[in-house]
Amino acid sequence: SYELTQPPSVSVSPGQTASITCSGDNLDNKYASWYQQKPGQSPVLVMYQDSKRPSGIPGRFSGSNSGNTATLTISGTQPLDEADYYCQAWDGTTGVFGGGTRLTVL
Amino acid sequence: QVQLNESGPGLVKPSETLSLTCTVSGGSISSSCWSWIRQSPEKRLEFIAYMCYNEIPKYNPSLKSRVSMSGDPSKNQLSLRLNSVTAADTATYYCARILVDASMLQAFDSWGQGSLITVSS
Repeated sequence: SYELTQPPSVSVSPGQTASITCSGDNLDNKYASWYQQKPGQSPVLVMYQDSKRPSGIPGRFSGSNSGNTATLTISGTQPLDEADYYCQAWDGTTGVFGGGTRLTVL
Repeated sequence: QVQLNESGPGLVKPSETLSLTCTVSGGSISSSCWSWIRQSPEKRLEFIAYMCYNEIPKYNPSLKSRVSMSGDPSKNQLSLRLNSVTAADTATYYCARILVDASMLQAFDSWGQGSLITVSS
């Protein structure tokens, strides 16, 4: 079965750039999506088709996908961006999620 | 703005069948694709199933032998049944709408608030 691997945690200072990676075999042959989940809340889609932002998602969020790695980048990270982030792709008709990355803004 | 609201029993005994319902408002289940996803206590997300109206549901191979998903357009509801549950099925269960673009499944763009299910005797 297809697997997506994320680092368990990433730390960033306020105002700096955070990069969260997601690795999978030939991931750039698929589209990657990203979800943000804050404590006690449901996941929220923040990026899809590698680099498209849904309506309402701030422009400081951007995405890329090349080779085996998709990356979610948050420029000018704000304290409110502290959350768990999950990548996701489709393996045929099966959705696959990464294990999640805890982004700490300190 | 579509809204999804899951409802379930809260507590299920081992070996029994879990039944969940997702009521959709602000959109028709006949016009989109929908999915069930669960999140373990360890916060791991797992895809369970999806369906597009009038199409055969598709299931995660790891759960396929125990799961079924259906939709009732008259009530605008989705349903999930999971048989022979064990403690490993304890999770928060979400229903979600799937964004489809260029006839390709893209992402889960709207989520319900989730229904916590505990499997215990």
